[in-house]
Amino acid sequence: AQKITQTQPGMFVQEKEAVTLDCTYDTSDPSYGLFWYKQPSSGEMIFLIYQGSYDQQNATEGRYSLNFQKARKSANLVISASQLGDSAMYFCAMRGAQLTFGSGTQLTVLP
Amino acid sequence: NAGVTQTPKFRVLKTGQSMTLLCAQDMNHEYMYWYRQDPGMGLRLIHYSVGEGTTAKGEVPDGYNVSRLKKQNFLLGLESAAPSQTSVYFCASTGVPYNEQFFGPGTRLTVL
Repeated sequence: AQKITQTQPGMFVQEKEAVTLDCTYDTSDPSYGLFWYKQPSSGEMIFLIYQGSYDQQNATEGRYSLNFQKARKSANLVISASQLGDSAMYFCAMRGAQLTFGSGTQLTVLP
Repeated sequence: NAGVTQTPKFRVLKTGQSMTLLCAQDMNHEYMYWYRQDPGMGLRLIHYSVGEGTTAKGEVPDGYNVSRLKKQNFLLGLESAAPSQTSVYFCASTGVPYNEQFFGPGTRLTVL
């Protein structure tokens, strides 16, 4: 069985600052993938970034980067230069045959 | 391309009524999924399909049935709705099971 844990129900960050959203995972599979999705108040699920368990380098997509620490089983999302539009719920997810989601972190960017 | 669409967007049911949610994708994806999202929680997998004519149970399948008669459509049925099924339902699809899933806009269902 696999499990995703997001321990921060809510986070605040000042506009233009960087923020790290935590995600830890547990799995017995040697091969797995980790995703981050953004869910704004409008409700849609927006894919942000993906990290494979065998990837040597941390994934980056624009202002998003994934701080992957395999030994610690963590896959934290780093958002650089936060913008007001980044205010949303963020979900970490792990894929096997299915996709397992964490409970999410509500990020609020303050002007 | 419309991507993944869901019908309807909103629905209110009375306890015991039945209904079917439709998910359609135009990306020729093999894999399709139905999730539910309850307040303050992440998505939980209800059922999924790895191809036309196949379905499998996810984490929370009780009270739901699904069918995948056509590759592009994945139907979620509630035979006898209960208040505990009040939730937002998301459909998703992917061409490769371990790749990014593309999500529909969601269906907000309220069971009174």
